[in-house]
Amino acid sequence: ETGVTQTPRHLVMGMTNKKSLKCEQHLGHNAMYWYKQSAKKPLELMFVYNFKEQTENNSVPSRFSPECPNSSHLFLHLHTLQPEDSALYLCASSQEGGRRGNTQYFGPGTRLTVL
Amino acid sequence: AQTVTQSQPEMSVQEAETVTLSCTYDTSESDYYLFWYKQPPSRQMILVIRQEAYKQQNATENRFSVNFQKAAKSFSLKISDSQLGDAAMYFCAYRVDTNKLIFGTGTLLAVQP
Repeated sequence: ETGVTQTPRHLVMGMTNKKSLKCEQHLGHNAMYWYKQSAKKPLELMFVYNFKEQTENNSVPSRFSPECPNSSHLFLHLHTLQPEDSALYLCASSQEGGRRGNTQYFGPGTRLTVL
Repeated sequence: AQTVTQSQPEMSVQEAETVTLSCTYDTSESDYYLFWYKQPPSRQMILVIRQEAYKQQNATENRFSVNFQKAAKSFSLKISDSQLGDAAMYFCAYRVDTNKLIFGTGTLLAVQP
């Protein structure tokens, strides 16, 4: 389970805090993703980066700010979150190009609790 | 809009028995990919199996196989000889456009010894 790593694994923050989630992929992939996983809801795609460029923002509130400095690293900066933002945040990566069947590989996630 | 439906929130199977998890999807496209992912408790989500819509042959990976019915837009997962380690949440997903995966709500599978 070292292909995609995420830190921290658990995070508790107040609504006025600023924190960042980190994701790193060791698979040589060129695309990275942020997903939100809430109980009893489908995984929600938040952001997509292809070759470090953001290609998808799925109507995510501005209190979530992604950053992709290179193809191996992805951050999610958090600011002024709400309790309903508490969820498991998953990072994934894939090698894109050609046909659309490229598998996305997931990290273990960061369990975020907003008080 | 593309959607993925998993109608079984929870399933249970006896060890060594066979279980089938159902998944239906809605799309107007003819060329796409379907996936089953497994998420064990407190562990990483991993790919179980994937199916290319233009291939008529059902995908198989060891004890895991799918029943892909394109006309019915159905993509069920069969787990044979169930093992305790198969206990997990299983997600069906459909790949749309270039990168986007659309997930179902998941089926929680319990394996009874």
